[in-house]
Amino acid sequence: AAGVIQSPRHLIKEKRETATLKCYPIPRHDTVYWYQQGPGQDPQFLISFYEKMQSDKGSIPDRFSAQQFSDYHSELNMSSLELGDSALYFCASSPQATSGGDEQFFGPGTRLTVL
Amino acid sequence: SQQGEEDPQALSIQEGENATMNCSYKTSINNLQWYRQNSGRGLVHLILIRSNEREKHSGRLRVTLDTSKKSSSLLITASRAADTASYFCATDPNTDKLIFGTGTRLQVFP
Repeated sequence: AAGVIQSPRHLIKEKRETATLKCYPIPRHDTVYWYQQGPGQDPQFLISFYEKMQSDKGSIPDRFSAQQFSDYHSELNMSSLELGDSALYFCASSPQATSGGDEQFFGPGTRLTVL
Repeated sequence: SQQGEEDPQALSIQEGENATMNCSYKTSINNLQWYRQNSGRGLVHLILIRSNEREKHSGRLRVTLDTSKKSSSLLITASRAADTASYFCATDPNTDKLIFGTGTRLQVFP
């Protein structure tokens, strides 16, 4: 079965550079979520989209932005990278907004290292 | 503030033993989910229990939910070395995002 695809899987950037992470949800899933997991930390919700509109926002820095495109894939854009941005970034998708309780399917993550 | 907190933070057992992990949360929820994560790898969904359910089974996994105490437990029976991983609970507190607990690191020795 198709799963959530994230690219790239690994990314190394210098401080103050920009990075773009991509997420391709499971087919027919219209809701996408982004999470950040720092070293030894639990995943933290960043932002979500439903039907190409932002549906919820968590602890996402102003330096980050994201959008969902017409084909439902999503991109997380990160600018002015800082050392503290080094983390695993997970994307998850679900067939609808999960209020009411649908499972979120997670991608393998993108490991971002900022040097 | 942290929605979910888990205990223990770390658990070491021998193969064949049972492992129990607990999760507490603070607000009302639609559902609670348990995830597994091997070191530095992706999150694998294990089981989802809805707020109107009290117990759920999946293979060697048994999850309970007590909404009056705002707590859940994950029991892994007859553990195997391959069960070694971090286990996170995550709640869906009436929004469309998941709030993860701090995780329990389980080590199963052969």
